[in-house]
Amino acid sequence: QVELVESGGGVVQPGRSLRLSCATSGFAFRSYSMHWVRQAPGKGLQWVTVISPDGTNKFYADSVKGRFTISRDNSKNTLYLQTDSLRLEDTAMYYCARDSPFRGGLFDYWGQGTLVTVSS
Amino acid sequence: DIQMTQSPSTLSASIGDRVTITCRASQNINNWLAWYQQQPGKAPKLLIYKASSLETGVPSRFSGSGSGTDFTLTINSLQPDDFATYYCQQYSTYPWTFGQGAKVEIK
Repeated sequence: QVELVESGGGVVQPGRSLRLSCATSGFAFRSYSMHWVRQAPGKGLQWVTVISPDGTNKFYADSVKGRFTISRDNSKNTLYLQTDSLRLEDTAMYYCARDSPFRGGLFDYWGQGTLVTVSS
Repeated sequence: DIQMTQSPSTLSASIGDRVTITCRASQNINNWLAWYQQQPGKAPKLLIYKASSLETGVPSRFSGSGSGTDFTLTINSLQPDDFATYYCQQYSTYPWTFGQGAKVEIK
C-alpha cells in the first residue's frame, strides 16, 4: 500500500533552516510528481511546491520562492524540502503528497505531516 | 491566482442528516475540482475528483456536482466519522488553490 512518512520538523529560530524528508513506499516513486502542502495551526491548506518525476521541473508558491528548495532522490524513494530563511509565518504542518497520475495538481495520497515551528 | 470560496464555514448537523457544502471558484475551472476530508489531527484524504468522481473506497453517501465556477459536496445520512473539515481544491490552473474549509460539527 502507498505510504508517505515525513520527518525533520522541529522548533527553529527565525532566519534559520530545516530540511524536511518524506520517505515513500508502495508505489513507483520515480514515476510520480510530488508536492509539499502546508497548514498553519488552525488554518487551511496551502500548496507549497511540486517537483517532476525526474526532478528537472520545480514550481513554488510565491510565498516561499527563493527560500525553499524541493528535491528528490529516486534511488532512495525520498522527497526533500530545504527550508531556508524561515519566518514566523512558515510555522505549519508540512505534508508531502503524491500527484495523481490522471491530472497534475490532484493530491491522491498524503503523509501524516511534520510540524515546523518558527519561534524566537 | 484562482480564489476558492466555501460556504458555510461551519455547520451543525445530526447523525442521519443530509449535508451540503458549496464551493465557488473565482474563474472557470471546468470540472477540475477535488474535495478532501480532514479529520482532527489527521492528514487530508481525497474524497472526490473531477467534481463528481468518487475516489476508490469512499462511501457512496458522498457525492459531488457542478462545473465551471459552482460546485457542491453532499453527504447523505451523516455518520459519526463524517464530522470533519472539508476542503475544495481547484487543479485547473497553477498555482493550485484550496477553499478555506467547511467544518461539520455535531449538533
